[in-house]
Amino acid sequence: DVKVTQSSRYLVKRTGEKVFLECVQDMDHENMFWYRQDPGLGLRLIYFSYDVKMKEKGDIPEGYSVSREKKERFSLILESASTNQTSMYLCASSTAGTRHEQFFGPGTRLTVL
Amino acid sequence: RKEVEQDPGPFNVPEGATVAFNCTYSNSASQSFFWYRQDCRKEPKLLMSVYSSGNEDGRFTAQLNRASQYISLLIRDSKLSDSATYLCVVNIRGGGNKLTFGTGTQLKVEL
Repeated sequence: DVKVTQSSRYLVKRTGEKVFLECVQDMDHENMFWYRQDPGLGLRLIYFSYDVKMKEKGDIPEGYSVSREKKERFSLILESASTNQTSMYLCASSTAGTRHEQFFGPGTRLTVL
Repeated sequence: RKEVEQDPGPFNVPEGATVAFNCTYSNSASQSFFWYRQDCRKEPKLLMSVYSSGNEDGRFTAQLNRASQYISLLIRDSKLSDSATYLCVVNIRGGGNKLTFGTGTQLKVEL
């Protein structure tokens, strides 16, 4: 079974703090993704990566950065957290090629006060 | 206009009923289509892919209409355990492995 894990289920941070969200997958997947999910807006892609040290902006990259130093790990960084970044953050991974099934982690509920 | 549009529901149906959801997509370059299921406070999981000729998986049937740019999901003999949010998902040609998600349709199956 594919397993995608995220470092925290719940996180509370203060405005202006630097926040790291970690994601690890154990199936040697090439692709990794970070989404946020908000009521009425669905899942929106923040950043994705097709390979180690590679990153691509998604639909809403502003205020975020990412790091992929190892194939199994994809980190999302909020340089200076703001209240409008309060959300559910979901990490996903998938194989390269034409199969597009993405496997999701359990999510991190981030609250920025 | 959203790239993928769904009726948010909720659809409240009795156990054993048949229920259908539609989803429309705006990008004619969409090439792959999926339904994901998301339980309350859980992550999305792939329910089924949607093929041009239509496909069935047990009580679930998915259809694709490229001319009208919509896909559908039919659930027969609804179970309480089918209660969830169903996400319509597309992959756009040239978009690599990126997926575009609809906001989901909520289904509640009741006794």
